[in-house]
Amino acid sequence: EDQVTQSPEALRLQEGESSSLNCSYTVSGLRGLFWYRQDPGKGPEFLFTLYSAGEEKEKERLKATLTKKESFLHITAPKPEDSATYLCAVQALRQYGNKLVFGAGTILRVKS
Amino acid sequence: GAVVSQHPSRVICKSGTSVKIECRSLDFQATTMFWYRQFPKQSLMLMATSNEGSKATYEQGVEKDKFLINHASLTLSTLTVTSAHPEDSSFYICSARDRGRSSYNEQFFGPGTRLTVL
Repeated sequence: EDQVTQSPEALRLQEGESSSLNCSYTVSGLRGLFWYRQDPGKGPEFLFTLYSAGEEKEKERLKATLTKKESFLHITAPKPEDSATYLCAVQALRQYGNKLVFGAGTILRVKS
Repeated sequence: GAVVSQHPSRVICKSGTSVKIECRSLDFQATTMFWYRQFPKQSLMLMATSNEGSKATYEQGVEKDKFLINHASLTLSTLTVTSAHPEDSSFYICSARDRGRSSYNEQFFGPGTRLTVL
């Protein structure tokens, strides 16, 4: 069974304090790993897709990396507006319809 | 680009009534749409996969007669919660896959619908 575990569950940072969120996964053949941001009461907003180990993608203060067992979302010099829940999801090669399996998320709070 | 809308954003209904939620892809065609539910402080759980012009595929444990899904066009899917009960209260979110994008596997999510059953 495909599984995604995110850590930590919650993270409090001071503005400017860089850190990383972890996403560990178990999947029989990875088609893709996805990072989303979700604000309270809203739908997830797409951030990145990673397909193979060693791949990296960046967007503003965020950088996502991928290994064969886990992915990291690095946040450099975060700002209060980066506060949100960050969700990681995997898509397996064998899955019908390319469905996503989500982790429980990491709640990030950035204080000014 | 890749905007997905949902309507309504919030709905309150009495127990035993049916509620219809619409999911639309506004600027792209979506051959596949997905319906999720999310309980407070929990992650998204896939309920069903909806393909245009065919029957939906439901995840294990999801009652297909209770959660009716129709995907009648390339831009519209509907979820009807029939005979709703308080335990059906949840945040329902749809997503869609843009068949025109080269990054075909990405899903774009709607803003969600908060259902409260009294």
